[in-house]
Amino acid sequence: EPEVTQTPSHQVTQMGQEVILRCVPISNHLYFYWYRQILGQKVEFLVSFYNNEISEKSEIFDDQFSVERPDGSNFTLKIRSTKLEDSAMYFCASLVSGGIAEAFFGQGTRLTVV
Amino acid sequence: AQKVTQAQTEISVVEKEDVTLDCVYETRDTTYYLFWYKQPPSGELVFLIRRNSFDEQNEISGRYSWNFQKSTSSFNFTITASQVVDSAVYFCALSRIAGANSKLTFGKGITLSVRP
Repeated sequence: EPEVTQTPSHQVTQMGQEVILRCVPISNHLYFYWYRQILGQKVEFLVSFYNNEISEKSEIFDDQFSVERPDGSNFTLKIRSTKLEDSAMYFCASLVSGGIAEAFFGQGTRLTVV
Repeated sequence: AQKVTQAQTEISVVEKEDVTLDCVYETRDTTYYLFWYKQPPSGELVFLIRRNSFDEQNEISGRYSWNFQKSTSSFNFTITASQVVDSAVYFCALSRIAGANSKLTFGKGITLSVRP
């Protein structure tokens, strides 16, 4: 069964450093998402991406965040200057067609900022 | 704006008990999807069910059943004869149907502990 793959599974970084979280969505999917889950809290929407541009972003997704799909297969989330409060589980999701099917989630990347 | 409320935060039951997880939602959309996801201790999100707002039929899948009531904006989830492996955090979620804006809005989750 096709799946969304995220790497790394766990990343530890120093405050102020840049991190890139990587996702390989399912190949025929068109819509891509990043979600964040701070430990013990709910899953929160960060950004959606369609047709090579951001279609929607939340208030969490400020200027330190960026996304891109550099090569037609990977979908990345970059955090330019990490803060302690960026420590969370980050989930990538993809959808074959807007609203037609459930989003497939990757297994998550646990980011720890020290 | 969309909102999902899971008023229960933690539930503890003994194995083989039935348990119902409540979910109440708010949306101005006339059509939408409702979901339940399971998050086991390993952390991944496991899709359980999607329900279209057009379809108010209840659904049963093995020990799992879902009760969707549009009149009360509720989408409750019942586990029959619970098992230790059901221990997890369960999230209810809501999305729009159309287009790129079909992001998921999650509730805060319910931690279910099933004791042997």
